[in-house]
Amino acid sequence: EAQLVESGGGLVQPGGSLRLSCAASGFTFDSYEMKWVRRAPGKGLEWVSSISTTAIYIADSMKGRFTISRDNPKNSLYLQMNSLRAEDTAVYYCARSYMIGLAHDAFDIWGQGTMVTVSS
Amino acid sequence: DVQLTQSPSSLSASVGDRVTITCRASQSISRYLNWYQEKPGKAPKLLIYAASSLQSGVPSRFSGSGSGTDFTLTITSLQPEDFATYYCQQSYSTPPWTFGQGTKVEIK
Repeated sequence: EAQLVESGGGLVQPGGSLRLSCAASGFTFDSYEMKWVRRAPGKGLEWVSSISTTAIYIADSMKGRFTISRDNPKNSLYLQMNSLRAEDTAVYYCARSYMIGLAHDAFDIWGQGTMVTVSS
Repeated sequence: DVQLTQSPSSLSASVGDRVTITCRASQSISRYLNWYQEKPGKAPKLLIYAASSLQSGVPSRFSGSGSGTDFTLTITSLQPEDFATYYCQQSYSTPPWTFGQGTKVEIK
């Protein structure tokens, strides 16, 4: 069974850094584009970043602060978050991209999320 | 960026009710519209992809329709486990992948 498990969340002060990890199992990790999505308290889902074999994308509000990476032999996805702000407080999910045709997708497997709280 | 607007933002319904949630896109997105269910403390779940295709393992009481700018998620005969928040999401014009603001389905 395909599964994703996030870790690395916690409490961090404004301006601090945190590295999130996502461990994948039950599928051929290096064959899939992967995503990070977040949900702030009381708000909706927000796409954060995507990584495939050919491209990396970061949401505009996180460019220059967040970096996505992956280690295919370790079946792991990462999100390095620097210069954290209060508004980055959220549950962070990793998700697998399921291709619909050649250029469109859906997020078919999600982890349960890891909470990041940015507060002094 | 494509903006998605869901309505209503919340609704109250009873077990057995038929529930309809709409999602409107700011521009035509063909049929590249997906629906997700989120429950507290649980992983979000893909319900419908490409507007009307039911994801494997999802009960047939869930259905999706629409194309262009207007889409609908319908739950026939609402079950206790269906009380959750539902999101639409577009994959037509990316990045960014954008979501609707969510619709919370509560028990009446």
